[in-house]
Amino acid sequence: DTGVSQDPRHKITKRGQNVTFRCDPISEHNRLYWYRQTLGQGPEFLTYFQNEAQLEKSRLLSDRFSAERPKGSFSTLEIQRTEQGDSAMYLCASSLGKDVGEAFFGQGTRLTVV
Amino acid sequence: GIQVEQSPPDLILQEGANSTLRCNFSDSVNNLQWFHQNPWGQLINLFYIPSGTKQNGRLSATTVATERYSLLYISSSQTTDSGVYFCAVRPLYSGGGADGLTFGKGTHLIIQP
Repeated sequence: DTGVSQDPRHKITKRGQNVTFRCDPISEHNRLYWYRQTLGQGPEFLTYFQNEAQLEKSRLLSDRFSAERPKGSFSTLEIQRTEQGDSAMYLCASSLGKDVGEAFFGQGTRLTVV
Repeated sequence: GIQVEQSPPDLILQEGANSTLRCNFSDSVNNLQWFHQNPWGQLINLFYIPSGTKQNGRLSATTVATERYSLLYISSSQTTDSGVYFCAVRPLYSGGGADGLTFGKGTHLIIQP
């Protein structure tokens, strides 16, 4: 399977714990995006990488959130000191090209904070 | 930022019926995609259509960029077409760096047998 891969698929954590999610984009794609989706809503943009550079962060990305893409390949999204409001589906997408390209999404990581 | 409105929010049809889903957006765009979200949450790409018309089997889409809307047509609906359909856009003039897609709230489609 050469699509976007995310791990884990599900994560249940206690409030206050740290969690880390991984995203492996389509291999030749240079752009990688993180989104968050809550129940009944469309996905909301969090942050974006072009190769290893993080070029944009949404206001939704509080200082408890950090994302990395150290070698321009896979990316990690860490949430520190999780809160119940962080419960959501976290989606990763990738696209190819310098400018605009079709984005392809992974299956998502569903986070539940108890 | 750019606004995306999808209509109708909910749609219930009998198998075999045709449907039209609409997406209005508030500014010029250089990317527009239609997705189907399956019951497990994955977004399945349907069309990449910043302008023009495309067809794929029973599905087709048209984007009229100058009038800032897009339509998704589903013909001869099947129960497997059920789910949430999202329209997502990227503004042409990103200004403060709005590179990510902005999604509408989706249309929840239920196809009854």
